[in-house]
Amino acid sequence: SAVISQKPSRDICQRGTSLTIQCQVDSQVTMMFWYRQQPGQSLTLIATANQGSEATYESGFVIDKFPISRPNLTFSTLTVSNMSPEDSSIYLCSAVGTRAKNIQYFGAGTRLSVL
Amino acid sequence: EDKVVQSPLSLVVHEGDTVTLNCSYEVTNFRSLLWYKQEKKAPTFLFMLTSSGIEKKSGRLSSILDKKELFSILNITATQTGDSAVYLCAVESNFGNEKLTFGTGTRLTIIP
Repeated sequence: SAVISQKPSRDICQRGTSLTIQCQVDSQVTMMFWYRQQPGQSLTLIATANQGSEATYESGFVIDKFPISRPNLTFSTLTVSNMSPEDSSIYLCSAVGTRAKNIQYFGAGTRLSVL
Repeated sequence: EDKVVQSPLSLVVHEGDTVTLNCSYEVTNFRSLLWYKQEKKAPTFLFMLTSSGIEKKSGRLSSILDKKELFSILNITATQTGDSAVYLCAVESNFGNEKLTFGTGTRLTIIP
């Protein structure tokens, strides 16, 4: 399985600021995704991070609020912009490896609290 | 829209008991169903099921899929306190984009 490193593991931020979360995979992967998990809820897909092109966002998520980069096959970033307390969540990245057919593996997650 | 429903939402049992967790789904063009265990933040992969009636087994955990009735179960026998976690079920549709739709999860608590 792919090993996925995500950082920071947690952060406390002020309203109106932005935070960039990094996701690094130890091998080349085909697909990378970003999820949000609000308190007591399940995982909701924010977007698919496409290598070398703009991310594909799910309904309810927009690029201005959650800009995503994926400059190569092993690295992606998610920025949470102009944060409000409603953005307090766990943010998770996942990846599908070239060998693990269709199995998504997850990073350890970033627990974000916005004051 | 794809939909995944898990039951029960929470379950409290004593160590040594056997539990069955349920997952029903509605998905356009089903491809696979996955089970994950989430203890703190990161979901860890347990099983992927694609064919009906074939049991997947790993130690005390097992799972099976019924594609006709659109559900899956996850069984845990001889439960231990380390099994306490949220168990997530997710489905993938066959549109080639590998997106997963997750259920709300079952929170399992094992009492020593």
